Parts: sequence; structure tokens; C-alpha cells
Amino acid sequence: AQSVTQLDSQVPVFEEAPVELRCNYSSSVSVYLFWYVQYPNQGLQLLLKYLSGSTLVKGINGFEAEFNKSQTSFHLRKPSVHISDTAEYFCAVDNSGGSNYKLTFGKGTLLTVNP
Amino acid sequence: GAVVSQHPSRVICKSGTSVKIECRSLDFQATTMFWYRQFPKKSLMLMATSNEGSKATYEQGVEKDKFLINHASLTLSTLTVTSAHPEDSSFYICSATRRGNEQFFGPGTRLTVL
Repeated sequence: AQSVTQLDSQVPVFEEAPVELRCNYSSSVSVYLFWYVQYPNQGLQLLLKYLSGSTLVKGINGFEAEFNKSQTSFHLRKPSVHISDTAEYFCAVDNSGGSNYKLTFGKGTLLTVNP
Repeated sequence: GAVVSQHPSRVICKSGTSVKIECRSLDFQATTMFWYRQFPKKSLMLMATSNEGSKATYEQGVEKDKFLINHASLTLSTLTVTSAHPEDSSFYICSATRRGNEQFFGPGTRLTVL
């Protein structure tokens, strides 16, 4: 069975600092990888996804992630964060090859951006 | 495009009553809908997968008689929490997928059982 590990449950940073949120997955087959953001009391919004092709994926709000197959990682990065980036971030994997779209989520990382 | 709504956004009910939560895909036909439960400061736990016109597939440990799922059309799925108890209090989120590889999430429903 696949699993997703988000190594940091909380990441506090100062505004305009760079940030990296870590995600590792375990799977023996090809995977689709996703990062979602959740603001308080809201649903999930897709930030970016990796399906195939270029390993560097750019998403919304200035975020990007790099798929590293050898390290089974899909870390999320942003060079300069804003107060408004404060939210919970979830990494997710679909290892069905898109056949059933079922996602396994990590436990989430709370990003807190301080002024 | 690809907007998913949930209704209600919040509901408070008494223990022993049943509560229905609706999930609608507003601008597309959803081949599959998913129901998740999210505990405070926890990840999303998939409860069940539902396809239009067929019975839902429940994840291990989820009581199908307690969490009734109906997917009557390509744009509507409902989750009914029957005989609700305080431990059923949670944030319930649905998602929908069309012919593709992305799930579109609803805004969630906060259920509080007194």
C-alpha cells in the first residue's frame, strides 16, 4: 500500500523568506502527485500536480515542486512567502495510474507566515 | 470551471438524529465522487467512493449502514449520517472527478452533534 509522509507538521517562517515543505511517498508503481492547500474551515484547493514529463512543476501562487523519483520525494517550495500563504498544505498521491483517482493524503503541514 | 458545492456548510444536530449532506458538481458531470472525513489537525480520511447509479465502495472500517451514500445523478451525491452521535462530529469534505485525473473538492461541511 502506498503512503505519504510529510516530515514537518508545522513550519513557521517570516514573511518574504523562502520555504520548503517536504513530502515523501512510497509506491512501487508510477504515481501521480499533488499538493493541495487548505485555508481554515474551507475545502482543498489544488496548488500543483505531477503526472508525467518535466520533474519541475509550477503551480499557482508562486509555488513549485520537484519530483525526484530516486528519492521518492515531491517537495513544495516558494522563494518568498506572504502572510496570505498561512494555511495547511497536504501532499497526496494517486498510484492507480489514474484508473480510479483515489488519493492518499499526508498528514499535512501547517505553514505559518509571520510578519 | 469544475466547481463543487456542499450544503449545508455547517449543521448542528441532536444525538440520535440523522443529517444529510449534499455534494454537487455545478458545472460538470462527475463520474466519481468521494467522501472524506477530516478530524481536527488531521489529514483527510477517505470514507467512500461513489459512482453514479451504483453502490458506494466503502473504505475499511467505515460503517456503511451509518454513513449512507447515494449518488443519484452525475451532479449530486449525498451523505447521510444516521443516528448521529457526538463522536461523528467532524468536517466532511466531498470531491468530484470527471474524465481526468484531478479531484475537485467541495468547501466542506462542519457537523456538530450535541
